[in-house]
Amino acid sequence: DTEVTQTPKHLVMGMTNKKSLKCEQHMGHRAMYWYKQKAKKPPELMFVYSYEKLSINESVPSRFSPECPNSSLLNLHLHALQPEDSALYLCASSQGPLAWREPTDTQYFGPGTRLTVL
Amino acid sequence: AQSVTQLGSHVSVSEGALVLLRCNYSSSVPPYLFWYVQYPNQGLQLLLKYTSAATLVKGINGFEAEFKKSETSFHLTKPSAHMSDAAEYFCAVSKGGAQKLVFGQGTRLTINP
Repeated sequence: DTEVTQTPKHLVMGMTNKKSLKCEQHMGHRAMYWYKQKAKKPPELMFVYSYEKLSINESVPSRFSPECPNSSLLNLHLHALQPEDSALYLCASSQGPLAWREPTDTQYFGPGTRLTVL
Repeated sequence: AQSVTQLGSHVSVSEGALVLLRCNYSSSVPPYLFWYVQYPNQGLQLLLKYTSAATLVKGINGFEAEFKKSETSFHLTKPSAHMSDAAEYFCAVSKGGAQKLVFGQGTRLTINP
């Protein structure tokens, strides 16, 4: 099973709202990722977690706050977003650091959350 | 820095025709290359990956890609296009695993009946 699930599928929020995106995988992967994808553009990496610790933050604004409560779950907390933050937010997982030295690690993506900020 | 360039933002072929989507990479070290497909309103699905074990890589849905070091290319092909192949295709490169994937700009494939 190579399934990554994301909830909700769609989210509409105002600029003063606080909301959270959720991502879950049960493949035993130890690395999880958040990407942002604008329309007609490739995904852009936001955060990487390995062994539940933040290992990469691609200079993402603090209004995006990631959290990895356990090895299967990844959250993205949203606060005071701007309309330009409207996008598809994709979560991915992979085996993690033990596989990063080998050319075998593959990222598996969830279906995404379509976020609209009004 | 490692990067990939996809030639052609939009490719249109007839059903049953050959599909060729181009990807060139820029890398000073042996690259690890991936092709992903994204259907409308969905996430990305791995088609295939090159990890230096073989230069011709076979993937899902009848797709394959050939790694050519002399041309720094990793083009994606399928002998006979099907209507269900209509989607966005992304080539991506990673150094030493999949920690940081760098995607090309994508190629939208349209299939004409």
